[in-house]
Amino acid sequence: QSALTQPASVSGSPGQSITIPCTGTSSDVGGYNYVSWYQQHPGKAPKLIIYDVSKRPSGVSNRFSGSKSGNTASLTISGLQAEDEADYYCSSYTTNSTYVFGTGTKVTAL
Amino acid sequence: QVQLQESGPGLVKPSETLSLSCTVSGGSMSNYYWSWIRQLPGKGLEWIGYIYYSGSTNYNPSLKSRVIISADTSKNQFSLNLSSVTAADTAVYYCARHPTVYERFDPWGQGTLVTVSS
Repeated sequence: QSALTQPASVSGSPGQSITIPCTGTSSDVGGYNYVSWYQQHPGKAPKLIIYDVSKRPSGVSNRFSGSKSGNTASLTISGLQAEDEADYYCSSYTTNSTYVFGTGTKVTAL
Repeated sequence: QVQLQESGPGLVKPSETLSLSCTVSGGSMSNYYWSWIRQLPGKGLEWIGYIYYSGSTNYNPSLKSRVIISADTSKNQFSLNLSSVTAADTAVYYCARHPTVYERFDPWGQGTLVTVSS
């Protein structure tokens, strides 16, 4: 199973909105509404920020939102803040009853 | 609040078996799935496999021939054995919980670095 495709890096000015795409296939992203997103700061474990495409866990800022169209899921960070600088990974359930992660995107607040 | 903690040797010799444990505190293992996920140095995340509390398992096809995941619910622990390791298995290993077979990994353990070297 191949990793989901994400851009290596995305940047934006503080206060701006940025969007990270996550492209898979009909066997994963396109086939299920089970896409989740994780934020990982350096040296830390990943933290769940979006699940089931667009649901936010309790305690996660509403500046994070998720969506999906076809085989591509997206994470949008509104009102970018310095604390949002981190690596972001998408993940999807697959037809093989397994899970695949994205290649990861480094977000920088300019 | 459930917390997970990985433990095990930080250094394993090539061709030997990597063995890690994950201790679950603050909750029961019942009715949940428990996964192992790894992150190669400077790279992305790779799902290794899961075990349901009742004992059923599923593994990443790319690692299936070398992986065994087991659980001891009486100790609130589950374990990873990865055999015939090489330097390519050097990674940070995480354990994580998911509420259904389909869904999100949450929470995660803090991770433990395992280096494969002679």
